[in-house]
Amino acid sequence: EVQLVESGGGLVQPGRSLRLSCAASGFTFDDYAMHWVRQVPGKGLEWVSSISWNSATILYADSVRGRFTVSRDNAKNSLYLQMNSLRVDDMALYYCAKGGASQYDAFDVWGQGTIVTVSS
Amino acid sequence: NFMLIQPHSVSESPGKTVTISCTRSSGRIASNYVHWYQQRPGSSPKNVIYEDNKRPSGVPDRFSGSIDSSSNSASLTISGLKPDDEADYFCQSYDASARVFGGGTKLTVL
Repeated sequence: EVQLVESGGGLVQPGRSLRLSCAASGFTFDDYAMHWVRQVPGKGLEWVSSISWNSATILYADSVRGRFTVSRDNAKNSLYLQMNSLRVDDMALYYCAKGGASQYDAFDVWGQGTIVTVSS
Repeated sequence: NFMLIQPHSVSESPGKTVTISCTRSSGRIASNYVHWYQQRPGSSPKNVIYEDNKRPSGVPDRFSGSIDSSSNSASLTISGLKPDDEADYFCQSYDASARVFGGGTKLTVL
């Protein structure tokens, strides 16, 4: 079964850091682009970041560029999101999603999400 | 970057057909594929249409997608509506530097 399991969310003060992880199973992880998408409860989806299968292409939304860093460890079938200088408006449910062989492909598998709360 | 504009909500009766639009604010809609996602309350999103009009395995053929270059928009059509189709629907596309989601459309099946 193809599965993505996020972890690492929690309560953090503004300006502090948090590292999210996404453990992948049931597919050949290093064949596919991976993505982070966030959602404020009750609101829409916001794309955060994408990374190609070999980490050669990395993209960020304007809202997080310079503060967030995406990475992957293909040997560990894992995706990461290092979030620094967190702000109140970063508070959301963070999903990891599997892409296709091309980074323009649809997000065809989603995790259950991990919640990030930014508050003093 | 461009935006994808969706109606906030649509409603229709069981058994009927509904179409949800997704208009690209700049750039040609046909230049980049449009994908569609269904999100039921309390659940993660699920891809229901990819590459404008293709259905993933397991998605019923009641779901279809199309592109209209004249209106610079994409559409998701759901026929034979079932109560289980009640959900939020998001379109998504991209350019060279970003992935973009529409604001989402809440479908109510009355």
